Amino acid sequence: QKEVEQDPGPLSVPEGAIVSLNCTYSNSAFQYFMWYRQYSRKGPELLMYTYSSGNKEDGRFTAQVDKSSKYISLFIRDSQPSDSATYLCAMGMNTGFQKLVFGTGTRLLVSP
Amino acid sequence: GAGVSQSPRYKVAKRGQDVALRCDPISGHVSLFWYQQALGQGPEFLTYFQNEAQLDKSGLPSDRFFAERPEGSVSTLKIQRTQQEDSAVYLCASSLTGNTEAFFGQGTRLTVV
Repeated sequence: QKEVEQDPGPLSVPEGAIVSLNCTYSNSAFQYFMWYRQYSRKGPELLMYTYSSGNKEDGRFTAQVDKSSKYISLFIRDSQPSDSATYLCAMGMNTGFQKLVFGTGTRLLVSP
Repeated sequence: GAGVSQSPRYKVAKRGQDVALRCDPISGHVSLFWYQQALGQGPEFLTYFQNEAQLDKSGLPSDRFFAERPEGSVSTLKIQRTQQEDSAVYLCASSLTGNTEAFFGQGTRLTVV
């Protein structure tokens, strides 16, 4: 069993939909939780990161962490075709961005 | 430079050939990381440098993999006697310190034939 589980998708939604992306994890030592966006043939780009349980909002994006359930989510409101990409969750220990453990990524397709 | 730069972008190697992949981190970034991303998978940690010191190499899959950062800036990932299973995208990332945001390069896509 992988430390971080993520549905690979693809997830297809119409423009304007609310998107929910999720990851579960098994290692309770994870303290940092990140979401990266990766376009085809590009490197991952950090969208958001959180340290604690709860919600964090940035524009159309909301990250949610539930440490008790070992479950994290990324919500995208008013999705746009430009949001079409692979979304990777990643987790780190108390050392922050050192030695991140990534999920497999969920491919998101937003159709106009 | 403006971001993390990796070269070459694409590399085709014959099985058994040695390859060297280069990473130029963002100027002033102390920490540098290498990850391997197989097709359809998330990146997997290979190794971590703080300045010139290699603090963690636990993710290197075999002794054919070797990384260095001799002057604490540019880093090279070397793979000896490449095998087909080494085919992947090799990503480099740097951060100001190990605890701050890590910025990724575009990666080097290695294909071993």
